[in-house]
Amino acid sequence: GQQVMQIPQYQHVQEGEDFTTYCNSSTTLSNIQWYKQRPGGHPVFLIQLVKSGEVKKQKRLTFQFGEAKKNSSLHITATQTTDVGTYFCAGQETSGSRLTFGEGTQLTVNP
Amino acid sequence: DGGITQSPKYLFRKEGQNVTLSCEQNLNHDAMYWYRQDPGQGLRLIYYSQIVNDFQKGDIAEGYSVSREKKESFPLTVTSAQKNPTAFYLCASSFVGNSNQPQHFGDGTRLSIL
Repeated sequence: GQQVMQIPQYQHVQEGEDFTTYCNSSTTLSNIQWYKQRPGGHPVFLIQLVKSGEVKKQKRLTFQFGEAKKNSSLHITATQTTDVGTYFCAGQETSGSRLTFGEGTQLTVNP
Repeated sequence: DGGITQSPKYLFRKEGQNVTLSCEQNLNHDAMYWYRQDPGQGLRLIYYSQIVNDFQKGDIAEGYSVSREKKESFPLTVTSAQKNPTAFYLCASSFVGNSNQPQHFGDGTRLSIL
């Protein structure tokens, strides 16, 4: 079955440093979604990428979808303590099918 | 999310006991999902339902059961056959359609063994 792998599993940064998490799927995706889970909380939807090579920005966050629609990345510029949490990617093989989540990257930011 | 209510927040199970986790949504979503999250792990799909009176097994359905008698409700029963039930259980819902819809999550239920 479909597998979604995410690296790194953990990332510790100093406030102000950049952060990137990478997501790779074993199969071609229809779309990829990104979620953020704060410590003790539940996942919250951030964004969805659909088109090959798509790049979307949300303030300091930049999301990319690979040309082959099998990989994606999330980059945070100049991290802040409010960025702390676990970032998950989740892929769909076909439109409307179930999501398969990656294992997440847990980000800690030292002030 | 305010539109999805999971209860209880904490639950303890005795040996050989079945327990039921509640999930209710008022977002008029068609689909509902149950995930299990272990410490430091991702979300693994237990069961999902895209329409009333129908549901499909996810990746780790053994030892669990569900029902979908109403659009708003998707309770999960953790049976005594589930030998390692201690985990954080998350319920989610979404619209279903040709476009890809984000999932909205409840606050979760933490299940522990007594």
